[in-house]
Amino acid sequence: AQSVAQPEDQVNVAEGNPLTVKCTYSVSGNPYLFWYVQYPNRGLQFLLKYITGDNLVKGSYGFEAEFNKSQTSFHLKKPSALVSDSALYFCAVRDGRYSSASKIIFGSGTRLSIRP
Amino acid sequence: EPEVTQTPSHQVTQMGQEVILRCVPISNHLYFYWYRQILGQKVEFLVSFYNNEISEKSEIFDDQFSVERPDGSNFTLKIRSTKLEDSAMYFCASSEAILSSSNTEAFFGQGTRLTVV
Repeated sequence: AQSVAQPEDQVNVAEGNPLTVKCTYSVSGNPYLFWYVQYPNRGLQFLLKYITGDNLVKGSYGFEAEFNKSQTSFHLKKPSALVSDSALYFCAVRDGRYSSASKIIFGSGTRLSIRP
Repeated sequence: EPEVTQTPSHQVTQMGQEVILRCVPISNHLYFYWYRQILGQKVEFLVSFYNNEISEKSEIFDDQFSVERPDGSNFTLKIRSTKLEDSAMYFCASSEAILSSSNTEAFFGQGTRLTVV
């Protein structure tokens, strides 16, 4: 069964410092991996995805994520954090093995807090 | 930029009542989804819908739930007899193609917060 783990409930970073939000996954086939962000009172916004190709994926708002097959990880990163990055971040996965599978599985979420 | 819209943003209902949550997906999208997020917990898949029928559903999506695309633009989730544990944020999503397509991602609405009292 596919699953996603986000080991940190909260990450605190000072503005201007690099940030990392961790994600590990478990799927039987090739993973399709996603990051979504949820701002207060807003829906889930797509940030980036990995399907195939370059292990480093660049997305919205300066975020990037690195796919590491050996460690089954897909950590979200940003070189320099902004206070406006403070939000709830969800990693998600879909098992690429089944072409008819239509659902994605979300992690529990990590609350990112950027202090000025 | 096109977006998925959901109404109402917050609904309070008494236990045992029926509720209908409404969603307008992005107009050229063909696949539709409902997810829910119980307060403090992860976002959970409920159901996916394509070509006027359910394509996949989770164990959460039991007989009290139903989905419908009544008029070609709205996509609704009906809960027949609400229970206290149905209280959650319900997210609608849509995608242009099936999520196995490499060029597709799901776009989510802002959610409807359902409170069952």
